[in-house]
Amino acid sequence: RKEVEQDPGPFNVPEGATVAFNCTYSNSASQSFFWYRQDCRKEPKLLMSVYSSGNEDGRFTAQLNRASQYISLLIRDSKLSDSATYLCVVNKGGSTLGRLYFGRGTQLTVWP
Amino acid sequence: GAGVSQSPSNKVTEKGKDVELRCDPISGHTALYWYRQRLGQGLEFLIYFQGNSAPDKSGLPSDRFSAERTGESVSTLTIQRTQQEDSAVYLCASSLQGVGYTFGSGTRLTVV
Repeated sequence: RKEVEQDPGPFNVPEGATVAFNCTYSNSASQSFFWYRQDCRKEPKLLMSVYSSGNEDGRFTAQLNRASQYISLLIRDSKLSDSATYLCVVNKGGSTLGRLYFGRGTQLTVWP
Repeated sequence: GAGVSQSPSNKVTEKGKDVELRCDPISGHTALYWYRQRLGQGLEFLIYFQGNSAPDKSGLPSDRFSAERTGESVSTLTIQRTQQEDSAVYLCASSLQGVGYTFGSGTRLTVV
């Protein structure tokens, strides 16, 4: 089983729509969680960390459910510039502290 | 420098040749990582350096792959006797003790 599994999409939504991505992770002892964004033919960039209490950054809301080992990202009022691949990322901690495990990504296209 | 610098940005090599890829991390970042991303695929972990600890080489796909890092500075990833399946974007990232990654823009390797 992969360390991080993501809904692969693709998601195609109109501008202004709300879209949600889901992700599950296999190791219950995982310590840190992130969403990265990767534009076409570019390197991944940190979008936001995910905290246990849930956190929001503008139009983006991230949620963590440790009991279900589930992470989500909600994007409200989608913009054309949100079109990208969104990567769910987990740090297992322990002996692999510092190493991040990446999901394969969910592709989002926002159309006008 | 301000970001993670990788060179060359593009490399075309003949099958069977050796290649060396370079990564210059953010100054002061103790951790350095190499990942590989094949076209349309997710990030594949290769190797992880943390300070003066022994590197985590568990992701290297074969003994043709090796990497070195001098202290907390530059790292080189060497691929010997390149094969066509080695064609990918090789991404380097650095972080301060495992807190969030900053990626370089990658080296696009094409083996012909």
